[in-house]
Amino acid sequence: AQKITQTQPGMFVQEKEAVTLDCTYDTSDPSYGLFWYKQPSSGEMIFLIYQGSYDQQNATEGRYSLNFQKARKSANLVISASQLGDSAMYFCAMRSNFGNEKLTFGTGTRLTIIP
Amino acid sequence: NAGVTQTPKFQVLKTGQSMTLQCAQDMNHNSMYWYRQDPGMGLRLIYYSASEGTTDKGEVPNGYNVSRLNKREFSLRLESAAPSQTSVYFCASSEMGAGRSGRAYEQYFGPGTRLTVT
Repeated sequence: AQKITQTQPGMFVQEKEAVTLDCTYDTSDPSYGLFWYKQPSSGEMIFLIYQGSYDQQNATEGRYSLNFQKARKSANLVISASQLGDSAMYFCAMRSNFGNEKLTFGTGTRLTIIP
Repeated sequence: NAGVTQTPKFQVLKTGQSMTLQCAQDMNHNSMYWYRQDPGMGLRLIYYSASEGTTDKGEVPNGYNVSRLNKREFSLRLESAAPSQTSVYFCASSEMGAGRSGRAYEQYFGPGTRLTVT
């Protein structure tokens, strides 16, 4: 069974600072993918970034990067130079790359950016 | 290109009533999913469909049924609504084959349906 743990229910960060959102996972699958989604107050789920378990380099997408430490089973999201629009819920999710490829989500972290 | 659409956006039901949530995608994806989101619990998978004509249970299937009408449409039915089914429901779709391709094949989500059962 797969499990995602996000231990930070809420975080407050000053605008323009960098922020790290924690995510640890547990799986016995040899091949898997890790995702981060953003959910603003409007409710939609927005895909941010993806890391494959065999990717050699950490994924980056603009101001988002994923600090992937496979041995520690962690996949933390780093947002550089935070903006007010980054205030949202952030979900970490994992997918096995075998079988039905469904996602398992963590409980999320509510990030609030302070001006 | 509308992506994933869901209807209705809001619904209030009385206990015991039935309803069907509709979902459609125009991205030619094989896989479709239904999730529910409750405060403090993230998103939990109700049912999924890996391809047209197939459906399978997820983590919390009790009280729900699904139909994969065709490749585009995947509906979720509540036969006898209960207050415990008050939630926000999301439909999602994705391509399959991530394990072979190494690509992200992320899931695309609809805007959600906020359901209240009184």
